[in-house]
Amino acid sequence: DAGVTQSPTHLIKTRGQHVTLRCSPISGHKSVSWYQQVLGQGPQFIFQYYEKEERGRGNFPDRFSARQFPNYSSELNVNALLLGDSALYLCASSLGAGQGAGELFFGEGSRLTVL
Amino acid sequence: RKEVEQDPGPFNVPEGATVAFNCTYSNSASQSFFWYRQDCRKEPKLLMSVYSSGNEDGRFTAQLNRASQYISLLIRDSKLSDSATYLCVQGVTGGGNKLTFGTGTQLKVEL
Repeated sequence: DAGVTQSPTHLIKTRGQHVTLRCSPISGHKSVSWYQQVLGQGPQFIFQYYEKEERGRGNFPDRFSARQFPNYSSELNVNALLLGDSALYLCASSLGAGQGAGELFFGEGSRLTVL
Repeated sequence: RKEVEQDPGPFNVPEGATVAFNCTYSNSASQSFFWYRQDCRKEPKLLMSVYSSGNEDGRFTAQLNRASQYISLLIRDSKLSDSATYLCVQGVTGGGNKLTFGTGTQLKVEL
């Protein structure tokens, strides 16, 4: 069975540009979360979506947005890119939405470099 | 103060050694805790959940001390393959399945 898949795996953008990152959860998983991991730090929560509805939002500016589609895949969008947005963006899926939702499974991430 | 604090290391230990990591957390309302392992330039993977009663999985033992708000991970008989970054994680009550990660502790097991 396929795990969490993310695309693209690597990308380079310049300041001010926009980026869209994509994630497909494990088959049967209805919840998708997005995390940002800056080099040398632990992942930081950005968003959680469950059944196409936003269930949680981390402390990120409005330049960050996301959505979940009927097939449970998800997109993370970042507008007006800054140098500080350079990071590994991780998508994680789980069966449900709450603390009893079970293990989070992470994809390999999309590594974004902003020049 | 960070919500989850860990010593970043690195911890350099010889093969076969026992090594212990601690982390502290600030959200006393948090109900769930985990240790995740992250290999270099890879995604985090769940190592084990942490319970107040303590839990063991082979060479790994995790413990939670709610009174002192710290979590520990003990690795016995270290293997070269244990070299990785170990992330201390708390689940946020009422936050869906939002996880708050520590910075991670780097472990290097050497011959």
